[in-house]
Amino acid sequence: DAKTTQPTSMDCAEGRAANLPCNHSTISGNEYVYWYRQIHSQGPQYIIHGLKNNETNEMASLIITEDRKSSTLILPHATLRDTAVYYCIVRGNFGNEKLTFGTGTRLTIIP
Amino acid sequence: DSGVTQTPKHLITATGQRVTLRCSPRSGDLSVYWYQQSLDQGLQFLIQYYNGEERAKGNILERFSAQQFPDLHSELNLSSLELGDSALYFCASSVAGVGYTFGSGTRLTVV
Repeated sequence: DAKTTQPTSMDCAEGRAANLPCNHSTISGNEYVYWYRQIHSQGPQYIIHGLKNNETNEMASLIITEDRKSSTLILPHATLRDTAVYYCIVRGNFGNEKLTFGTGTRLTIIP
Repeated sequence: DSGVTQTPKHLITATGQRVTLRCSPRSGDLSVYWYQQSLDQGLQFLIQYYNGEERAKGNILERFSAQQFPDLHSELNLSSLELGDSALYFCASSVAGVGYTFGSGTRLTVV
């Protein structure tokens, strides 16, 4: 699986957009980018995933660069409940479906 | 409630003992994954089962074993427990590797 690089920590003001970057320069053509978050010691929560195109759901938007070497997760209006560790993961091919978690970005939303 | 049920939520046991952690996947999900999260190691993939068969293996110790039963629930057996086995153990389930859903975990404390 391709390796990902994320900042260790970030702060964001409540109500502002939180933009979390991720580098995955060795991603293969058929590998997806997944984002999960973990609030305190709860089970990781799925946020969004994408292959090539930008994606949006009720939680967030995912912007993937044209060369697919990096992506950005956007939480449009961050709330205190968005404080968590955010993981960017590149998932292997079908048949090798495990998620390899890195150290993630600890996002703190500031009141 | 994510739909993935893990029991027990907490477990305290002595070194050298054996424990069994149980996971019931979301209805319809055929894949079950086990992850270990300790303070100094982050989330580590242990093993995956798909429809009763072992699909992938990660950094799982020989003292640990797992199985998935015909009703698709899974059990993770940990034996000859050591202090270092204290961790959160998460189970996740998915359909064909898309949209993993994690349970709330079992916190194991070995004393």
